Amino acid sequence: GDSVTQMEGPVTLSEEAFLTINCTYTATGYPSLFWYVQYPGEGLQLLLKATKADDKGSNKGFEATYRKETTSFHLEKGSVQVSDSAVYFCALSDRAAGNKLTFGGGTRVLVKP
Amino acid sequence: SQTIHQWPATLVQPVGSPLSLECTVEGTSNPNLYWYRQAAGRGLQLLFYSVGIGQISSEVPQNLSASRPQDRQFILSSKKLLLSDSGFYLCARDSRNYGYTFGSGTRLTVV
Repeated sequence: GDSVTQMEGPVTLSEEAFLTINCTYTATGYPSLFWYVQYPGEGLQLLLKATKADDKGSNKGFEATYRKETTSFHLEKGSVQVSDSAVYFCALSDRAAGNKLTFGGGTRVLVKP
Repeated sequence: SQTIHQWPATLVQPVGSPLSLECTVEGTSNPNLYWYRQAAGRGLQLLFYSVGIGQISSEVPQNLSASRPQDRQFILSSKKLLLSDSGFYLCARDSRNYGYTFGSGTRLTVV
């Protein structure tokens, strides 16, 4: 079945540091890939997405590129802020599996001033 | 608008009591709807999904059930709660144009 693996946290960074969160996936079909963010005490918000190979999703300074050859969708941000402290989830949606979202385990990021 | 309304936001219930969490959605009709659970310090687990009124698929065997009495209403229930039912419950819908939208969640503590 489909699965998503992302690096375990917590990841602790200083403000303005570079952030990367690794995400790899396995899927039977051709999935769409997503990054969601969960701020403390809140639900999930879509951060960015990519629907086909080599697509780059971007939002709020975050970027991720759909790499079919390495089955990866790593999240990056060049200069993090304290407000980026949150839990980040990588996810895939596979039409072959009825478009259900499969999530990674989440990575907690803590940015210190 | 693809807004999802979930209530209550927090809930504390004793073991053995019943549960009913409600989710209503706005936007395009006949959405696919989902219930996810996030246990403390863990990832998200898909519990149920629905592709239409009265159509429910269960992903994992458990103490919970789901119903969809109306197109835009999705209910998560239990007859007798267990301690292991504690967690953060999220309702979601999918949409071709907007990706997936999540509600703000219900934090359930079973005591």
